Amino acid sequence: DSGVTQTPKHLITATGQRVTLRCSPRSGDLSVYWYQQSLDQGLQFLIQYYNGEERAKGNILERFSAQQFPDLHSELNLSSLELGDSALYFCASSVGLAHQETQYFGPGTRLLVL
Amino acid sequence: QQPVQSPQAVILREGEDAVINCSSSKALYSVHWYRQKHGEAPVFLMILLKGGEQKGHEKISASFNEKKQQSSLYLTASQLSYSGTYFCGTPGVDSTDKLIFGTGTRLQVFP
Repeated sequence: DSGVTQTPKHLITATGQRVTLRCSPRSGDLSVYWYQQSLDQGLQFLIQYYNGEERAKGNILERFSAQQFPDLHSELNLSSLELGDSALYFCASSVGLAHQETQYFGPGTRLLVL
Repeated sequence: QQPVQSPQAVILREGEDAVINCSSSKALYSVHWYRQKHGEAPVFLMILLKGGEQKGHEKISASFNEKKQQSSLYLTASQLSYSGTYFCGTPGVDSTDKLIFGTGTRLQVFP
């Protein structure tokens, strides 16, 4: 158990809908990262927050948005869902920003868009 | 730019050794190694830092060649529990510190 929690574990929805994925980082971690992993693919970085502020953006679609709240939990909002958005979405957290920090991954949310 | 891993897949018998390589076209500040079992979260294995420092655990070793912009993960006397997909991650060259993960190497250990 990494200490990072994600809810829900599974999500099934229809095209065109909007969903929200939630992540609670490990106690004391200020950085939160979101990744998308499609079937048998690698981990695609989406976005990073540090202490409430957006820190880095990856290949995140305009239909996707995220935020980190004062209590440091984060939410990833996916809207106008398409079939291709079906994937595992992971959240990870680390203590700080430095490139030598370990990232701890949550169990993931499996999204299926029908 | 995404690091390139080789080989793409490895099949081993228990007790055999394997080496997984990670190459980057950019200068490396650090290399992070993770293992992911199917449908589960990636699990941290090791960080190698510029200058030779290593942070990690488990019976796995790794090397980091800054000049060649490469890292190698050494799995010796493999166990069934080593099966999974191994990813290396390297920070972007800008100051944002995000990790770019490699293409992955699938390792399968059979009894």
